[in-house]
Amino acid sequence: SAVISQKPSRDICQRGTSLTIQCQVDSQVTMMFWYRQQPGQSLTLIATANQGSEATYESGFVIDKFPISRPNLTFSTLTVSNMSPEDSSIYLCSVDAAGRMNTEAFFGQGTRLTVV
Amino acid sequence: AQSVAQPEDQVNVAEGNPLTVKCTYSVSGNPYLFWYVQYPNRGLQFLLKYITGDNLVKGSYGFEAEFNKSQTSFHLKKPSALVSDSALYFCAVRDTRSNDYKLSFGAGTTVTVRA
Repeated sequence: SAVISQKPSRDICQRGTSLTIQCQVDSQVTMMFWYRQQPGQSLTLIATANQGSEATYESGFVIDKFPISRPNLTFSTLTVSNMSPEDSSIYLCSVDAAGRMNTEAFFGQGTRLTVV
Repeated sequence: AQSVAQPEDQVNVAEGNPLTVKCTYSVSGNPYLFWYVQYPNRGLQFLLKYITGDNLVKGSYGFEAEFNKSQTSFHLKKPSALVSDSALYFCAVRDTRSNDYKLSFGAGTTVTVRA
């Protein structure tokens, strides 16, 4: 298993500003994932962050809006840039601790972002 | 392509009654299937998974799920629901033919267990 610490747990931000969310894992993992969960909706994958390479973004998400860093095997950040009220969501960090297709993913507790 | 459908937005049951949350999937290969639960203001917690073998899988907190290949389903069940089971439940799938580790999630089912 993996224990994931995500910070901040919540924030209220002004439109046009940026917020950086941190994700710290208690063990080394190859793959980390960032999800968005809009109010009342399911999880949507933003990007996959592998250490030593550029993040891979899903359709509809771009690096300029959601830059990601992955400096080592236990840490990643997601920045939500130039925020608008439409960015109000829960953002979740996830890891695949065992690095195998048949193992479960683990999630941080999420960052609840409100943009005003 | 892989996808998951949870046909019910909400499930309401009385405490002590059986609870079922439905999930169907679509994959091109074989599925790896997962159930997660999300309590308010919390992240997702893993409940159980189907990889291969026995179609009936047992997981945390008394939950179990039955894999049915012919019906492409993986319904979550609990014989006797508790008020504390009230939460948001997600079914997720990975396709064994996929080259990546992405999970596809269903829309989620809100379970309310009344006392």
